[in-house]
Amino acid sequence: RKEVEQDPGPFNVPEGATVAFNCTYSNSASQSFFWYRQDCRKEPKLLMSVYSSGNEDGRFTAQLNRASQYISLLIRDSKLSDSATYLCVVSTTDSWGKLQFGAGTQVVVTP
Amino acid sequence: DAGVIQSPRHEVTEMGQEVTLRCKPISGHNSLFWYRQTMMRGLELLIYFNNNVPIDDSGMPEDRFSAKMPNASFSTLKIQPSEPRDSAVYFCASSLPPSSLAGPNIQYFGAGTRLSVL
Repeated sequence: RKEVEQDPGPFNVPEGATVAFNCTYSNSASQSFFWYRQDCRKEPKLLMSVYSSGNEDGRFTAQLNRASQYISLLIRDSKLSDSATYLCVVSTTDSWGKLQFGAGTQVVVTP
Repeated sequence: DAGVIQSPRHEVTEMGQEVTLRCKPISGHNSLFWYRQTMMRGLELLIYFNNNVPIDDSGMPEDRFSAKMPNASFSTLKIQPSEPRDSAVYFCASSLPPSSLAGPNIQYFGAGTRLSVL
């Protein structure tokens, strides 16, 4: 079983709509969580960290559910520029520098 | 800051040849990571360094792969001999060192080297 699992998608979203997707992680010792964004043929870039209480960054909202071991990302008022692959990233306390990346969820925003 | 710089951006080589990928981390970053990305396996960590010392190389596929970090501003990933299954995008990333209080720091990725082994 992979340590971080994501629905690969694609999620086809009309412009202006809301899209949400989850990521599950298997290691209960995981302590730090992030969402990275990767555009086609580009490098991954940090989108946002995920905090225990949940957090927002503009149109993006991230949630953490430790009991069920998943994190979620919600994008409101989708823009064409939101089209990308969103990578779920997890780190455990025993290896702070090492990040586990999910395979990514592809989002395609259509006009 | 110029960000993480990788070279070459593209490499096409023949099976059996030696390939050397290069990375210059962001100045002041003490941690450096080498990843490989393929459609089948996603993004895989190959090896990472803290203060130029390899900390975890458990992701290095086999003895054909080796990585060095002779100083704080330069690292290489070498494949010798290369095989077609090594074809992938290789990313280098750097970050400030992890903190026991704050956890891992943000990793900044270079643009990657797209390797094709024929």
